[in-house]
Amino acid sequence: KAGVTQTPRYLIKTRGQQVTLSCSPISGHRSVSWYQQTPGQGLQFLFEYFSETQRNKGNFPGRFSGRQFSNSRSEMNVSTLELGDSALYLCASYQGYTQYFGPGTRLTVL
Amino acid sequence: KNEVEQSPQNLTAQEGEFITINCSYSVGISALHWLQQHPGGGIVSLFMLSSGKKKHGRLIATINIQEKHSSLHITASHPRDSAVYICAVLSGGAQKLVFGQGTRLTINP
Repeated sequence: KAGVTQTPRYLIKTRGQQVTLSCSPISGHRSVSWYQQTPGQGLQFLFEYFSETQRNKGNFPGRFSGRQFSNSRSEMNVSTLELGDSALYLCASYQGYTQYFGPGTRLTVL
Repeated sequence: KNEVEQSPQNLTAQEGEFITINCSYSVGISALHWLQQHPGGGIVSLFMLSSGKKKHGRLIATINIQEKHSSLHITASHPRDSAVYICAVLSGGAQKLVFGQGTRLTINP
């Protein structure tokens, strides 16, 4: 089976812009979680989706949003980008308790 | 205080040494993960534990649910084991990992 894929892998944006990141889970996985990794805060949970429904949301401002489609693919959107949003954004798909991580999207905000 | 604490934060050792990384957590968990992250960012799940001990090659992971503690051991360490090792727990029935701050391991030849 193909692993979790994320697009794009690298992205450079300027402050105030918005960005959309995409995650395709492993075939057959219906659950997707998103995480943000920064040098200062480490890895932090953003959202969890199951069958197109957001089940959990981390402690992030409303500028961070996401959705999941009927084919389990997920997107996250960050509006009005700030310098502090520069990070590695990881998604993971899972069955049971085992999570499989994608390679991440490295977002740089200038 | 973080819900998941790892020690040490940095560890440098010589090739061949036995390595131990510790993880303590303060919440009830449904599972604990040990993750490996190489420079460049990709994260690989090494182990998922809910009890006891697991072994994969030179890597061994143990968990003590009563003491809320887990350890990751690497036997006969090799420079290619150099990476950041992250402990993460699933808590509260949600698929929401809570992460330790990571242990940066460097194995010198």
